[in-house]
Amino acid sequence: DAGVTQSPTHLIKTRGQQVTLRCSPKSGHDTVSWYQQALGQGPQFIFQYYEEEERQRGNFPDRFSGHQFPNYSSELNVNALLLGDSALYLCASSLGDMNTEAFFGQGTRLTVV
Amino acid sequence: SQQGEEDPQALSIQEGENATMNCSYKTSINNLQWYRQNSGRGLVHLILIRSNEREKHSGRLRVTLDTSKKSSSLLITASRAADTASYFCATAKAAGNKLTFGGGTRVLVKP
Repeated sequence: DAGVTQSPTHLIKTRGQQVTLRCSPKSGHDTVSWYQQALGQGPQFIFQYYEEEERQRGNFPDRFSGHQFPNYSSELNVNALLLGDSALYLCASSLGDMNTEAFFGQGTRLTVV
Repeated sequence: SQQGEEDPQALSIQEGENATMNCSYKTSINNLQWYRQNSGRGLVHLILIRSNEREKHSGRLRVTLDTSKKSSSLLITASRAADTASYFCATAKAAGNKLTFGGGTRVLVKP
C-alpha cells in the first residue's frame, strides 16, 4: 500500500518563475492538504482540497493555488516566486471528515534563487 | 499563527533515558496529533489522541492530553539514537480539519 507520494523531491527556481508541485494521496484517502515549512519552523497550512474543491485556506496570498483531480491527486501552483517562498512543501492526505490521522509525504524542497 | 507551542525547544539526553516534551495550545480542539521529522524530510505520524481521551500508548511512546489545561505531553521511554529527530504536536479544531503545528522540539539522543 503506497503512502503519500510527492514529486519532485528537490527543485530550484528563479525569482518570478512559476512552479507546480504534485501529490498522490494514500490509497483510500480523499482529502489532500498542503503545508509550507520554513527552515527551523513548524509547518504552516496553505489549503485543503476535498471533492475537487478548496475547502479551507490558510493565510497565503493568491499566488498560491491548487487543484484536485478526480483520482484525488493534487497540485500546488505558486506564481511569481519570491525568495521567501523557499521552503519544504508538504502534502498530507486524510479521509474526509473522519477523526483520523493525516499522513504526510516526504516533501518537495523548493529553493528560489 | 501557531496554535501549539512545544516545550522545551531542544532536548539532549543519553541513550536509554526517557525524553518528555510538552505541547500547549490555545483553543478547543477535536484531536491532537504528534509527528516526528528527521533531517527536514517528511513527517511521520506517531499518535493521535482525541479530545475525549486522556492517555494513549504506542510501543515506547506515551501521550497524555489535559483539555482543562490545554496541554499534551509526549514521553519516549528508553530512548535510542534513532529517536534523534524533531517532534511536533498538531491540533485540529474539528474532524478532518486543518492541522495547526507548534514550532517543534529538537531531540538529540547521544549514544
